[in-house]
Amino acid sequence: EVQLAESGGGLVQPGRSLKLSCAASGFTFSDYYMAWVRQAPTKGLEWVASISYDGGSTYYRDSVKGRFTISRDNAKSSLYLQMDSLRSEDTATYYCTTVGYSSYIFPYWYFDFWGPGTMVTVSS
Amino acid sequence: DIQMTQSPASLSASLGETVTIQCRASEDIYSGLAWYQQKPGKSPQLLIYGASSLQDGVPSRFSGSGSGTQYSLKISSMQTEDEGVYFCQQGLKYPNTFGAGTKLELK
Repeated sequence: EVQLAESGGGLVQPGRSLKLSCAASGFTFSDYYMAWVRQAPTKGLEWVASISYDGGSTYYRDSVKGRFTISRDNAKSSLYLQMDSLRSEDTATYYCTTVGYSSYIFPYWYFDFWGPGTMVTVSS
Repeated sequence: DIQMTQSPASLSASLGETVTIQCRASEDIYSGLAWYQQKPGKSPQLLIYGASSLQDGVPSRFSGSGSGTQYSLKISSMQTEDEGVYFCQQGLKYPNTFGAGTKLELK
């Protein structure tokens, strides 16, 4: 059974840093792209960042580029999100997800397994 | 960025009723579309990927269809446990983008 467990969330002041972790089990971690998706309180879903199997390729939404860093440790089956220069608009529940891949005419990606999430609140 | 527009924003359905939710992309996404269900206080769950492929373990009353820019999710017989918010998502291009969600309630 696929299990993802996020940790590291909490209350942080604007401009400070926080590092989220995600412990994975029940599957071969290195066989999957991984991603972070967030959801602001009572809002919709927003993709944040993705990382390739070996960490060699990373992708970010524009609003976090240069402030957030996604990384992984395949030996520990763990995913991370280093968040620097946090802003109030980063307040959200952050979900760790596996990334599924398929192709019809072009390749496409989807989020097949999700953790329960960890809440990040950026406020003074 | 590819914009995803869902309709309706909310709806209510009776037990056994057929429900359809629409999702329109701002450009052709070549069936690179997924649907998720989120229940209150829970994380989203994948229902459909590739516009019409049913995720393992998802009841067969859920189905997806569409192509180009227009897609839909159908629940063939509304059940109590189907209450929640449904999101569509395009996975063709970064940034992967989601629709704003459709809240489904039991009438």
